[in-house]
Amino acid sequence: DAGVIQSPRHEVTEMGQEVTLRCKPISGHDYLFWYRQTMMRGLELLIYFNNNVPIDDSGMPEDRFSAKMPNASFSTLKIQPSEPRDSAVYFCASSPRTGMVLPNEKLFFGSGTQLSVL
Amino acid sequence: KQEVTQIPAALSVPEGENLVLNCSFTDSAIYNLQWFRQDPGKGLTSLLLIQSSQREQTSGRLNASLDKSSGRSTLYIAASQPGDSATYLCAVLLPYGGATNKLIFGTGTLLAVQP
Repeated sequence: DAGVIQSPRHEVTEMGQEVTLRCKPISGHDYLFWYRQTMMRGLELLIYFNNNVPIDDSGMPEDRFSAKMPNASFSTLKIQPSEPRDSAVYFCASSPRTGMVLPNEKLFFGSGTQLSVL
Repeated sequence: KQEVTQIPAALSVPEGENLVLNCSFTDSAIYNLQWFRQDPGKGLTSLLLIQSSQREQTSGRLNASLDKSSGRSTLYIAASQPGDSATYLCAVLLPYGGATNKLIFGTGTLLAVQP
């Protein structure tokens, strides 16, 4: 398996533009997570999905952020309109956890999307 | 609120030295603790996972320990190599409402191993 695949690797855009980040999780993984990493705040969980259903989006900073998972092999994180403070590295991760009894599966991360909003 | 702290923030050692990275967390009600490695411009790679019922895990030159009662974990790297240079993050998995769980990351330790 190629691992978690994110695109694009780098995105530079101007304030006010729409940004769409894409993620393909590892095949067979039940959970998909979107994280944001900045120097100031470290790694923050934005939202995660279980079997394509959003479970917890309490980390999404505001209504400008939205995420979808139309099927088991694809997810998007959209920012509209983008602002300079959204500049960060956005990571997607997936987990093969199959049940709630023993949450012991490791998280597998993509390489991230470096977003710069000018 | 769970807080995860890593000390030191940065560490530079000569090649061959044994070293210890520290991770502390404020709430001992965790399911597990993971240590990750992050290379510049890359994602995170899971190194070791310790269940809440375990005391330590080993993988090659890496050994991670967990003391839930004191809220501490250490990552021991034996005979360090320049290729070990990276940022190391610990993360605790918390019960978080209903059937969901939440992974809280530490602040990271930037390790540089000098040849």
